[in-house]
Amino acid sequence: QVQLQQSGPGLVKPSQTLSLTCAISGDSVSSNTIAWNWIRQSPSRGLEWLGRTYYSRSKWYYDYALSVKSRITINPDTSKNQFSLQLNSVTPEDTAVYYCAAMVRGLFDPWGQGTLVTVTS
Amino acid sequence: NFMLAQPHSVSESPGKTVTISCTRSSGSIASSYVQWYQQRPGSAPTTVIYEDDQRPSGVPDRFSGSIDSSSNSASLTISGLKTEDEADYYCQSYDSTFFWVFGGGTKLTVL
Repeated sequence: QVQLQQSGPGLVKPSQTLSLTCAISGDSVSSNTIAWNWIRQSPSRGLEWLGRTYYSRSKWYYDYALSVKSRITINPDTSKNQFSLQLNSVTPEDTAVYYCAAMVRGLFDPWGQGTLVTVTS
Repeated sequence: NFMLAQPHSVSESPGKTVTISCTRSSGSIASSYVQWYQQRPGSAPTTVIYEDDQRPSGVPDRFSGSIDSSSNSASLTISGLKTEDEADYYCQSYDSTFFWVFGGGTKLTVL
């Protein structure tokens, strides 16, 4: 079964870029049936879907939440079988636990272990 | 924008039955499947119900899901409550503009 392992720094300075990686085992990032997502959770915003990437008909697709669309990039890395999140120009409001998650048929399962990212100077 | 409204908290005694509601603010609850996730402190969410009323393997049949178009809401019902059911529960659904939306979560206390 699919397993996801997250990595990346837990501290980011304001105005800088948050970068996280999610390594996939048990399936391929190029799977035609799975979309790869980033979700965050904070006390103020609850669970918030941020975006996804998926591979279909020999092409990569990307969808992003309107709330972060101007600042977010999700990239697949086929050589390492992983995908990444970059969130630019962060502020303290971006402080949250960030999760990667696989999605099949509208269901987020499984999730990565979560990474607490704190935005502070 | 659409939202999924959940009660902030519910509590019930062991052995009893509890129902958690999830009301969609706009658009039909039946237009997209509803999923329910359980989250224990310090852990990632896990699925207890998918596609409105389906249970993943390994989830006890004490957990059930339903939707009610008349109230535009979904419900998660847990019967025969156990202390291990104490957790936060989140509903989740889909919208073509805002993609995947989560409810605010309900803290279940089994006392």
